[in-house]
Amino acid sequence: EVLLVESGGGLVQPGGSLRLSCSVSAFTFSTYAMTWVRQAPGRGLEWVSAISGSGGSTYYADSVKGRFTISRDNSKNTLYLQMNSLRVEDTALYYCAKKGPSYDCWGQGTLVTVSS
Amino acid sequence: AIQMTQSPSSLSASVGDRVTITCRASQDIRDDLHWYQQKPGKAPNLLIYAASSLHTGVPSRFSGSGSGTEFTLTISSLQPEDFATYYCLQDYNYPYTFGQGTKLEIK
Repeated sequence: EVLLVESGGGLVQPGGSLRLSCSVSAFTFSTYAMTWVRQAPGRGLEWVSAISGSGGSTYYADSVKGRFTISRDNSKNTLYLQMNSLRVEDTALYYCAKKGPSYDCWGQGTLVTVSS
Repeated sequence: AIQMTQSPSSLSASVGDRVTITCRASQDIRDDLHWYQQKPGKAPNLLIYAASSLHTGVPSRFSGSGSGTEFTLTISSLQPEDFATYYCLQDYNYPYTFGQGTKLEIK
């Protein structure tokens, strides 16, 4: 069974940093593009960032460009999201997802709260 | 960025009803449009990919259609487990964008 497990969320002050991880199993990680999607409390889904299977191509939403960095370690079957200069509006549940036909497998999410 | 506009934003319906949700793109996105269902406290689940292809394990009462700028998700006969929020997603180009969601509630 394909499994994606996010970790690394927590409470951070505005301007702070966090690194999220997404550990995956039961599929050949390096052959699939991956993404991060977030959902603020009571709000809709927002696509955040994506990375190709090799890690050579990365993409970002305008709202996080220059502050967030997506990366992956294919030897560890792990996806990352380095989040710097965090803002109150970055508060959300962050999901990682695998791109098969569209995003066909998702983790359970990790909560990031940015507050003073 | 491509804007995705879903309608309606909320919908009340009864078990057995046929319902349709629409998603419009601000530019031609071919068939690079996907539909998700999300229940409270859960991650989204893929229902339809490439506008009209049913994802594995999804009941056949769900169907999708459209291309270009206008797309629809249809549930042919609502079941109790279908009351949820539905989102469209375009992956024609980056940044990918979701519609704002349609909350389907029990009448």
